[in-house]
Formats: sequence, C-alpha cells, structure tokens
Amino acid sequence: GAVVSQHPSRVICKSGTSVKIECRSLDFQATTMFWYRQFPKQSLMLMATSNEGSKATYEQGVEKDKFLINHASLTLSTLTVTSAHPEDSSFYICSASLGDLTGAHDYGYTFGSGTRLTVV
Amino acid sequence: GDSVTQMEGPVTLSEEAFLTINCTYTATGYPSLFWYVQYPGEGLQLLLKATKADDKGSNKGFEATYRKETTSFHLEKGSVQVSDSAVYFCALSDKRGSYIPTFGRGTSLIVHP
Repeated sequence: GAVVSQHPSRVICKSGTSVKIECRSLDFQATTMFWYRQFPKQSLMLMATSNEGSKATYEQGVEKDKFLINHASLTLSTLTVTSAHPEDSSFYICSASLGDLTGAHDYGYTFGSGTRLTVV
Repeated sequence: GDSVTQMEGPVTLSEEAFLTINCTYTATGYPSLFWYVQYPGEGLQLLLKATKADDKGSNKGFEATYRKETTSFHLEKGSVQVSDSAVYFCALSDKRGSYIPTFGRGTSLIVHP
C-alpha cells in the first residue's frame, strides 16, 4: 500500500533556530501533499496544501514566511519552521493521496507518522 | 461548508464491551466518508471507508455504514480490546469540493482490561 515516511519523529530545538521536516512518498508519486498541525487532544488543523513544482497554498492564519513548504519532486515535500519559538511546539503531520485527488476521494489519504517538535 | 461532528470523549470501556462512536456530517456534494485511527505518538491510519450511500466499510472488526438519510457514519465494534485504545477521527472528502478531507475533532477511546 501507499506509504508516507516522515522524519524526524521527534526534534527539540532552541528558540530562534529553524527545523526542517521531511515527508516522502515511498511507493507512489504524490502530486499533492498536505501539512497539518495537531494540538494536544485536538483535531488536525490544515496548514497548507503543497503541490509539486508550484507554490504551496496556505490556509488563512498560517504564516507562509514562518512555515516554508517546498515540494520539489513528486516524492518529497518539506516543511521548515523558521525562527522557531515555544508556541510553535506541536505535532506536525503530512499526508498524501495515492495518485490525484479523485483517488483520494475513493481511497482516502495516507499519513506520515508525525513529528513532535519541541522548542525550548 | 462541509463539517463533521463526532461525539465527545473520552469513551471508556471494559474489554469485550460493545463500541459505538457517533459521527454525523454536513456536505454540499457527494462525500466519501472515512474513519481514521491515531495511536499515541503516531500519525493517522485509515481504518475504513465508504464512498456511497448504504456502503458498509469494515476493517479489524470495526464497521460503519454510510447513512445518507441520517447523514451519519457511526463506528461500531462488537468486542473491543485494550489494543483498540486510540483516538478515532471521522472524516469526509467531498467530490464537489476540493477533496481536502474535513476531520471531526476526534474521539478518544480507552479500553480497560
């Protein structure tokens, strides 16, 4: 089945530094990837939609200069949290669909295992 | 817009008890419906799905039936195990919309031995 590999699983960084999170689709090409943020005991908040070869589409209220998304190939999307602060500490999850979005409608999405970011 | 409403948790059960987690939805088009499960410290995994009315999704003993007349997709399991303890998310993907899934808030299930 479709697998999305997300790294790192946990990262602790100092305030003011940048952190990069990678998501790779291992056995399929992901034209579109989604980045979510999840607060404790809450649902997923969609941050942005990442399309291969083009600029990401950010949801309202998400700072594009702070959360840099790059989708340079059909198998790799990255999220960079720039100048991280303690309030950026959260669980970040990526997801992708098998093939195009109509496939997602029928088959659902595959999620990465998530990255626990702690900014100290 | 599209929305998904789940029962609030946590749901606490004893092993082998019957589970129901309610989910209702609002959508403008013809959505597909999903249940995802999230184990502690992990991402979400697709548990089951249904793409049209009256479809029944099933997996690992869990079932949910797409009820268009009641706009519901309740998750059920006849006999839960401790290993089922997790957070369960109901979601929809609307064919007339952007296909980006809409998630419910999640329901935490705790199963005691």
